[in-house]
Amino acid sequence: RKEVEQDPGPFNVPEGATVAFNCTYSNSASQSFFWYRQDCRKEPKLLMSVYSSGNEDGRFTAQLNRASQYISLLIRDSKLSDSATYLCVVNPFYGGATNKLIFGTGTLLAVQP
Amino acid sequence: DTAVSQTPKYLVTQMGNDKSIKCEQNLGHDTMYWYKQDSKKFLKIMFSYNNKELIINETVPNRFSPKSPDKAHLNLHINSLELGDSAVYFCASSSRTGEEGKNIQYFGAGTRLSVL
Repeated sequence: RKEVEQDPGPFNVPEGATVAFNCTYSNSASQSFFWYRQDCRKEPKLLMSVYSSGNEDGRFTAQLNRASQYISLLIRDSKLSDSATYLCVVNPFYGGATNKLIFGTGTLLAVQP
Repeated sequence: DTAVSQTPKYLVTQMGNDKSIKCEQNLGHDTMYWYKQDSKKFLKIMFSYNNKELIINETVPNRFSPKSPDKAHLNLHINSLELGDSAVYFCASSSRTGEEGKNIQYFGAGTRLSVL
């Protein structure tokens, strides 16, 4: 089983749609969780951290379910500029020197006009 | 100002050659990393250094040798390049913190290595 699993997509949605991505992780001791965004031929960039209590940043909402080892990202009112690959990222260590990120394979989102 | 910068951006070379990629960060972070993203876009950590000390060394061939002259620099030297080394190599940096969600890594723009 992969350490971090995501549906690779692609998700093709019209502008204005709401889209949700899901991710599962295998290490129950994982402590930190993130969603990164990667545009074509660019570096990954942090979209948002995922907190235990869930968190929202504008049109983006992230949720964490530790019992099910499941992370989600909801994008409301999709824009053309949201088209990218969304990477689910898990850090099994809570800070410290061994700050190792485990990346999912990414979910490709294509927002259509 | 670029926070994490890598050079070169593109590297095309022949099999068997030796090449280096350089990385510098001006964020004041104490930890730096090398990641490899293969043709299937899967991003995997190779090495991590904290204050010039090797912390993470994944199962990477010993043809790959990282070097950290100081905590703001982490270079990657690759000997005897093989076709399978073709990939995008990303450098990243972060600070040590125990605070939830705050141990964020910042990535450089990547070095696209093509081995012919």
